[in-house]
Amino acid sequence: VLTQSPGTLSLSPGEGATLSCRASQSVTGNYLAWYQQKPGQSPRLLIYGASKRATGIPDRFSGSGFGTDFTLTISRLEPEDFAVYYCQQYGSSTPWTFGQGTKLEIK
Amino acid sequence: EVQLLESGGDLVQPGRSLRLSCAASGFTFRNYAMSWVRQSPGKGLEWVSTISFSGGAIYYADSVKGRFTISRDIPSNTLYLHLSSLKPEDSGVYYCARGLNYYDYWGQGTLVTVSS
Repeated sequence: VLTQSPGTLSLSPGEGATLSCRASQSVTGNYLAWYQQKPGQSPRLLIYGASKRATGIPDRFSGSGFGTDFTLTISRLEPEDFAVYYCQQYGSSTPWTFGQGTKLEIK
Repeated sequence: EVQLLESGGDLVQPGRSLRLSCAASGFTFRNYAMSWVRQSPGKGLEWVSTISFSGGAIYYADSVKGRFTISRDIPSNTLYLHLSSLKPEDSGVYYCARGLNYYDYWGQGTLVTVSS
């Protein structure tokens, strides 16, 4: 089970954001991904392998962590960054599971 | 440009069947594993099924095992999901996504509503 916190994060453009994803068991190989989803859109891959940025993702997005604790950090929030963020573990076997999401909203 | 276009979602009664399609373009379809992920208000994002690039390996979530069947047609670059014995809890937006276990491209989704 992946638990994301906080449920909602209220920040202003230009601030930094730290989103947490905690796994109930160690994530094999640090196989953890982060996605961004805006209203009415499909999810977009941001990070895979806990810290590798997907193609075209700005370097203000960074992922870190290992074992059971992972973090998505967004430095200098842009207006287009306000969305819902999901983590996903894809360890050695199915089922591959998602967290419940963190909503990043404009303060 | 990679594009995934789902179709086939509908309002169906419990116990009925439905087939979803996903037309892929902009990449070499036969070289990639493909997956279905669904999203419902009550359950968030849920991985449903994956088929390997060759079709030789197929995986299902326990919640759909025995009721859903994933398949792919290489010549037409199309991914399918056959849903049978549908339950109300199967309702949601079904996304086609490229990848075995994490997903770098997603379609726009197709809505399945199971209700009497």
